[in-house]
Amino acid sequence: SQQGEEDPQALSIQEGENATMNCSYKTSINNLQWYRQNSGRGLVHLILIRSNEREKHSGRLRVTLDTSKKSSSLLITASRAADTASYFCATDAGGAQKLVFGQGTRLTINP
Amino acid sequence: GAVVSQHPSWVICKSGTSVKIECRSLDFQATTMFWYRQFPKQSLMLMATSNEGSKATYEQGVEKDKFLINHASLTLSTLTVTSAHPEDSSFYICSASSAGGVSFSYEQYFGPGTRLTVT
Repeated sequence: SQQGEEDPQALSIQEGENATMNCSYKTSINNLQWYRQNSGRGLVHLILIRSNEREKHSGRLRVTLDTSKKSSSLLITASRAADTASYFCATDAGGAQKLVFGQGTRLTINP
Repeated sequence: GAVVSQHPSWVICKSGTSVKIECRSLDFQATTMFWYRQFPKQSLMLMATSNEGSKATYEQGVEKDKFLINHASLTLSTLTVTSAHPEDSSFYICSASSAGGVSFSYEQYFGPGTRLTVT
């Protein structure tokens, strides 16, 4: 079952602005991952953050994790048109390597 | 990085026929593969977990006789949609993970997906 909730469901911003997406989950996790999916394509792994980490950076991406609030955020700085995609968080709450995906945020970057 | 391929990328079939979708890990051995389906503008829903050499484990509500999964080798898993109906039309995505190797721990590598349309 899908346990992650993401907000907003859709986000439209101007190129160059920062985009922030949030993800909440319900049960304890060992790690949380963020993926990007371009329309009609597979998923691309962006970043993994472990439960004992609070923040992680990768290029223009910054991910935070607050296990006390069971939430994570993905920040994309200096957005580009190519960042237009759906973004999903996924936790290992399913056990046995299973991933439980959030509902996703559809991000549109307007040139 | 780890590459996973799927074939075909899209397929159109008639109602009542069966369709086989292949998922291959190209540059690593995948001890576990996962099959997901995704409806338009929705998230991924896990259908089943496939371990090499053993029977697949299906998620609740997924008909194992309808969605046959075979993981005969460490680089190939297949999903066969039997007696397909229009409601089976969806985007099917596989992913693969390797139990060994620190760099692959926890991460799943996703195929590009297969769009199935049943007419």
